[in-house]
Amino acid sequence: AQTVTQSQPEMSVQEAETVTLSCTYDTSESDYYLFWYKQPPSRQMILVIRQEAYKQQNATENRFSVNFQKAAKSFSLKISDSQLGDAAMYFCAYRTTSGTYKYIFGTGTRLKVLA
Amino acid sequence: GAGVSQSPSNKVTEKGKDVELRCDPISGHTALYWYRQSLGQGLEFLIYFQGNSAPDKSGLPSDRFSAERTGGSVSTLTIQRTQQEDSAVYLCASSANRGDTEAFFGQGTRLTVV
Repeated sequence: AQTVTQSQPEMSVQEAETVTLSCTYDTSESDYYLFWYKQPPSRQMILVIRQEAYKQQNATENRFSVNFQKAAKSFSLKISDSQLGDAAMYFCAYRTTSGTYKYIFGTGTRLKVLA
Repeated sequence: GAGVSQSPSNKVTEKGKDVELRCDPISGHTALYWYRQSLGQGLEFLIYFQGNSAPDKSGLPSDRFSAERTGGSVSTLTIQRTQQEDSAVYLCASSANRGDTEAFFGQGTRLTVV
């Protein structure tokens, strides 16, 4: 069975600085998707970025980028130029490309942005 | 609709009562998921629907939990004889089809069992 681990329950970053959130996963599959979701206090889960496992190039979305290390089964999220609005819970998620396509989530990292 | 809608937003119920949680997915989305988020925990998978059928119910924690989906649209999650450990946020998500990589989430229902 696949598992997703986020070892940082909480992180803090100064406004305008850069922060990296860690995520590791375990799977025997070769093809899958990885995601970072953001959950602000409103509870709405918002997709931040996704990565297809077959792509070697790291995904980027504006200030958000990932460091995908397939062999190490590591998928970290880098937030550059942190803004107050980035404060939220961040969840790493894994999704298979077959079967029921369910998402498997980590336990989350709470990000605080300091003014 | 414009997004995934869940109702009620908050629900307080007495231990032993039954509750129904509703999810309206984005129009046309065939895949629908229910997740449970307990305080300080990640999202725990409950059940997956493709159309009206549920090929994966493996996450339902006990036979007190059931879910159905009608017309390939609205889904209802029912919890019978609620217990205090059922207190959590219940999140629903939908995606355009089972292969689509993006799931869109509702704002969840916060269930409190007293």
